[in-house]
Amino acid sequence: GENVEQHPSTLSVQEGDSAVIKCTYSDSASNYFPWYKQELGKRPQLIIDIRSNVGEKKDQRIAVTLNKTAKHFSLHITETQPEDSAVYFCAASNSGRLGSQGNLIFGKGTKLSVKP
Amino acid sequence: KAGVTQTPRYLIKTRGQQVTLSCSPISGHRSVSWYQQTPGQGLQFLFEYFSETQRNKGNFPGRFSGRQFSNSRSEMNVSTLELGDSALYLCASSFRDRGEKLFFGSGTQLSVL
Repeated sequence: GENVEQHPSTLSVQEGDSAVIKCTYSDSASNYFPWYKQELGKRPQLIIDIRSNVGEKKDQRIAVTLNKTAKHFSLHITETQPEDSAVYFCAASNSGRLGSQGNLIFGKGTKLSVKP
Repeated sequence: KAGVTQTPRYLIKTRGQQVTLSCSPISGHRSVSWYQQTPGQGLQFLFEYFSETQRNKGNFPGRFSGRQFSNSRSEMNVSTLELGDSALYLCASSFRDRGEKLFFGSGTQLSVL
């Protein structure tokens, strides 16, 4: 089955700096890669997702890149702000494929701290 | 639209007991997935239901079971509770199946004593 590795487990940056979180996946059939943000005591929320037919996707200060050959994808946050402090989870699934499992497999999370 | 609602918010049980958790998805969403969240382990997939059918099941013992009703509401049951079952149980709904664009509930925090 699918396995998702996420690094680093903790990340501390100064406000205004960039943050990068990396994930690798094992199943080459995976084609859907979302990122979730979970603030302390709150529910995970989808912040951005990408499909395997796209190499990069941006949404304001957030971007995700995908390298299918190397089976890894990354979250990039630019101009970080204190409100970006949270745990970020990457995930992978082979969504939409006939006969596939399709369930999302999550990485173990990265705790991002943005210091003012 | 109301979000995903999970009840109860907190539960305290003792070893050997059983527990039932409830999840009401966003209106119009037919897929409901359940995840177990523990510190350091992230979110581990339990099962997914779509239109009352279990589509996928994670690597959990048979003590963990679930079902989905015709109105898409879902319940999860854990029998013969063990100390290691203490965790936050999250339910997520989506319009499509197969894990796309999940909307999570606030979870049920289960403590097994």
